[in-house]
Amino acid sequence: EAEVAQSPRYKITEKSQAVAFWCDPISGHATLYWYRQILGQGPELLVQFQDESVVDDSQLPKDRFSAERLKGVDSTLKIQPAELGDSAMYLCASTRQYSETQYFGPGTRLLVL
Amino acid sequence: QKEVEQDPGPLSVPEGAIVSLNCTYSNSAFQYFMWYRQYSRKGPELLMYTYSSGNKEDGRFTAQVDKSSKYISLFIRDSQPSDSATYLCAMSERDDKIIFGKGTRLHILP
Repeated sequence: EAEVAQSPRYKITEKSQAVAFWCDPISGHATLYWYRQILGQGPELLVQFQDESVVDDSQLPKDRFSAERLKGVDSTLKIQPAELGDSAMYLCASTRQYSETQYFGPGTRLLVL
Repeated sequence: QKEVEQDPGPLSVPEGAIVSLNCTYSNSAFQYFMWYRQYSRKGPELLMYTYSSGNKEDGRFTAQVDKSSKYISLFIRDSQPSDSATYLCAMSERDDKIIFGKGTRLHILP
């Protein structure tokens, strides 16, 4: 069964450092999402891509976060500089076009010290 | 008031019991309703998906949507220890982003 791949699974960094997370969606899924999930909360959307284009990045803190999906397949989410409050699980999800069903990857758990 | 409200629990029930998980919402434009299961340190996994009102059954799981009351439920029959997880309700308008509840932590006691 096809799955969304994410790496790394865990990342520990010091504040003010740069971190990057990678996501490879299910093959053929045109829509890709990055979510942030703080412990004890539901996932919150950071950015949504349709192919290589950003559809919604209204909740992305653009002063420190950036996301790209250059060829419309895999995607990278970057944080620079990281802050203590960025400690969370970063989830990637994908879906076929015109579908409401999102498939999630295992997530990257970030700890900022 | 948040768009989606969900009791965080934890909810502890004995093995074999019927579990009822619930969410309320405020946005009457929501049309798509989902339940995700999330095991510790894993990503959410889609359990049930319902469009508009009514019931949907899949094995031991039943999802109910009452749009008039803005209330959705997930029932788990014959609960098993392997059902212990966090259950997230989620909903969306057509072609719009999904809004998640905070999740309810469920413990099934052997």
